[in-house]
Amino acid sequence: GESVGLHLPTLSVQEGDNSIINCAYSNSASDYFIWYKQESGKGPQFIIDIRSNMDKRQGQRVTVLLNKTVKHLSLQIAATQPGDSAVYFCAEVQGAQKLVFGQGTRLTINP
Amino acid sequence: AAGVIQSPRHLIKEKRETATLKCYPIPRHDTVYWYQQGPGQDPQFLISFYEKMQSDKGSIPDRFSAQQFSDYHSELNMSSLELGDSALYFCASSGPGLAGVSYNEQFFGPGTRLTVL
Repeated sequence: GESVGLHLPTLSVQEGDNSIINCAYSNSASDYFIWYKQESGKGPQFIIDIRSNMDKRQGQRVTVLLNKTVKHLSLQIAATQPGDSAVYFCAEVQGAQKLVFGQGTRLTINP
Repeated sequence: AAGVIQSPRHLIKEKRETATLKCYPIPRHDTVYWYQQGPGQDPQFLISFYEKMQSDKGSIPDRFSAQQFSDYHSELNMSSLELGDSALYFCASSGPGLAGVSYNEQFFGPGTRLTVL
């Protein structure tokens, strides 16, 4: 079936640098995407979302970009901090609001 | 602020035993979702309920069943446990109301870690 996936399983960045986490999706009919952050031992936490009628959305220190032509999502985290260390998932909303998650990317911050 | 409560937080069972996981949604939330996350894997949707009725079904084994009660809490019943059932089980809740045009954000609980020996 169609699914959402991520390019890289791990990403290591220097504290203070910007982080970019990527995600590819295969369902061209997808309408709504969400990025989640999952810290060790905790449930996924909503970060930011974007609808298919947008190509960019900004939050506090985070930006999500959507490229529908190549079915690609990215999450940009500005001035990465130690507290940003976590696994990041993109997810697609399907059906009656169920979430289809992609493979996570583990972000580690080097001091 | 109140969050989703799951119990127990940790559970150890033997193969072929049964397990019951409980989820208490955020007050006034009427929709619950169950997800299974294997080691190093992404969460996989199992099943969801809105107003005590099943609203969607995913990759839930026939050995598993779930329901939502009148107080909106939900239970996931797992029978004939297998080693491969070892995973984190998350419950999420959203609401109120069944989402239509807009999306109702799902709030996740801390999860139940099930270990099958």
